[in-house]
Amino acid sequence: GDSVTQMEGPVTLSEEAFLTINCTYTATGYPSLFWYVQYPGEGLQLLLKATKADDKGSNKGFEATYRKETTSFHLEKGSVQVSDSAVYFCALVDEKLTFGTGTRLTIIP
Amino acid sequence: SAVISQKPSRDICQRGTSLTIQCQVDSQVTMMFWYRQQPGQSLTLIATANQGSEATYESGFVIDKFPISRPNLTFSTLTVSNMSPEDSSIYLCSVKRLVGGSDEQFFGPGTRLTVL
Repeated sequence: GDSVTQMEGPVTLSEEAFLTINCTYTATGYPSLFWYVQYPGEGLQLLLKATKADDKGSNKGFEATYRKETTSFHLEKGSVQVSDSAVYFCALVDEKLTFGTGTRLTIIP
Repeated sequence: SAVISQKPSRDICQRGTSLTIQCQVDSQVTMMFWYRQQPGQSLTLIATANQGSEATYESGFVIDKFPISRPNLTFSTLTVSNMSPEDSSIYLCSVKRLVGGSDEQFFGPGTRLTVL
């Protein structure tokens, strides 16, 4: 079945550092790919998405490119802020939404 | 987007009791989903609730333990029955909606359940 493998955390970075959170997937079809974010004490929010190969999703300075050849959808941000501290989930949807295990990101001033 | 509210936002319950969680959506949707997020873990789909038919449960989840109601297109309930400490989790309601030509899934704020 479909699966998502996500970089394990926790990840701790200094403010203004470059961020990469790796995500790879396995799917039988042609899924859409997502990154969700869960801020402390809040619900899950969609951060960005890509619906087909070579699409780039972007939001709030975060980017991820749908790479079919490497079945990857890595999340990147050039300069992180303390407010980016959260748990990030990579996900795909084929018939149903499948989540990775989540990566807890902490940004220190 | 979709505005989804859940009640209660949190609860602390005794072993052996049951809790019903309510989910209200701001507009009609065909499919509603219930997820569980155990402490420090990812989200697991419990069941899909369609209006007018019985919910479809994922492997490892059964109707006797997690009965679901879907009386109309904007509302659903999930009951966690005969609770044990292992049921301590965040329970999230979710809906799917077409956005910009593709399906997007939106989540409620969650119900944080602690079972003593």
